[in-house]
Amino acid sequence: GEDVEQSLFLSVREGDSSVINCTYTDSSSTYLYWYKQEPGAGLQLLTYIFSNMDMKQDQRLTVLLNKKDKHLSLRIADTQTGDSAIYFCASSRGNNRKLIWGLGTSLAVNP
Amino acid sequence: DTEVTQTPKHLVMGMTNKKSLKCEQHMGHRAMYWYKQKAKKPPELMFVYSYEKLSINESVPSRFSPECPNSSLLNLHLHALQPEDSALYLCASSQGYSKTGELFFGEGSRLTVL
Repeated sequence: GEDVEQSLFLSVREGDSSVINCTYTDSSSTYLYWYKQEPGAGLQLLTYIFSNMDMKQDQRLTVLLNKKDKHLSLRIADTQTGDSAIYFCASSRGNNRKLIWGLGTSLAVNP
Repeated sequence: DTEVTQTPKHLVMGMTNKKSLKCEQHMGHRAMYWYKQKAKKPPELMFVYSYEKLSINESVPSRFSPECPNSSLLNLHLHALQPEDSALYLCASSQGYSKTGELFFGEGSRLTVL
């Protein structure tokens, strides 16, 4: 079936880069998303990548996609304490299809 | 205006009460969603409205009743809930149901059922 997996925790020092990893099982996934959820808040779409792309960069965020291994990563450069949050990876097979969510990676940024 | 506004932020209700959660967006989005989120878990899809019509009901118990009075408003009517229904209820919108992954979420309504 469709599944998305993430490691549950990541701890980094302020100023370092963070890399959050995600694997998915559905080879028909056409869109892959990263959402951020700060404590006590709703979710915020950070970025997404279409399956025919290898990489997408948006300011401090870099998304890498390895379709062969069904592996997605989110790199946050110069991580700040404000980046402390839960990061959810999600996939979908395309338009009009619901999202399949990972369990989320809790990122802790230490001063 | 890129906000989805949910009220109330917190709600405590007994199992015999009837209450409603409200959601509003003014981005001109034509799809609206209700999600349920338990602590430390991803959100679970409950309902999807597309052009004010119910498109998806993810086998949600009838004690949850959604309503979409117009393209900007979404309600979730609650009746005879159980303690296990305590959760964060998130409303989201997207430009259309073709953009199911590009969701704008509200801050959520935290529900406690006693």
